[in-house]
Amino acid sequence: DQQVKQNSPSLSVQEGRISILNCDYTNSMFDYFLWYKKYPAEGPTFLISISSIKDKNEDGRFTVFLNKSAKHLSLHIVPSQPGDSAVYFCAATRGYGRGGSNYKLTFGKGTLLTVNP
Amino acid sequence: EPEVTQTPSHQVTQMGQEVILRCVPISNHLYFYWYRQILGQKVEFLVSFYNNEISEKSEIFDDQFSVERPDGSNFTLKIRSTKLEDSAMYFCARRTGSGLFFGEGSRLTVL
Repeated sequence: DQQVKQNSPSLSVQEGRISILNCDYTNSMFDYFLWYKKYPAEGPTFLISISSIKDKNEDGRFTVFLNKSAKHLSLHIVPSQPGDSAVYFCAATRGYGRGGSNYKLTFGKGTLLTVNP
Repeated sequence: EPEVTQTPSHQVTQMGQEVILRCVPISNHLYFYWYRQILGQKVEFLVSFYNNEISEKSEIFDDQFSVERPDGSNFTLKIRSTKLEDSAMYFCARRTGSGLFFGEGSRLTVL
């Protein structure tokens, strides 16, 4: 039961260009979405999040866009740097809007981003 | 400096043995979580723990698993009788204002 889907297992971009990582979800109850970055043998590192009342959230080089009608979100990294090379996970949870989220996150399978110098 | 420290970083055990994984949050928090990632698969929720009680658990978290906070600081995950399929990275996490902060993980290898 893949409630959160990352259909691209890998993505390769050139340094300085934009990286766009996509995520789709099926559960309409999800109201809070997060992106994590993960290196091998390390824990996921929080990058950026967005609640369903917004359609965009920006933090430095990272911007997350949410299209609720399409149940789709994307992470944009501009400009991409070689140090951004990692696996990126999309995650979702529900109940956030009512202050009751228990942060039980449902993760996608991840997208391996490779930024080439 | 990590805000969540996990030990051991790697444990190898024989099938059927008990394993205890530990999580030490530096700050005093009420909400804790355990997640795991089997190699090549997605990160999966195991259990959430609030105010010294389990608040929610997944179908993965069966009778072989237990969590406790024995001394008010360490937060442990115990697997009573390990199976081959328990081999995974196990992540402890604490709740922040934005989401979950994960520890570095404990790799469990069951032979």
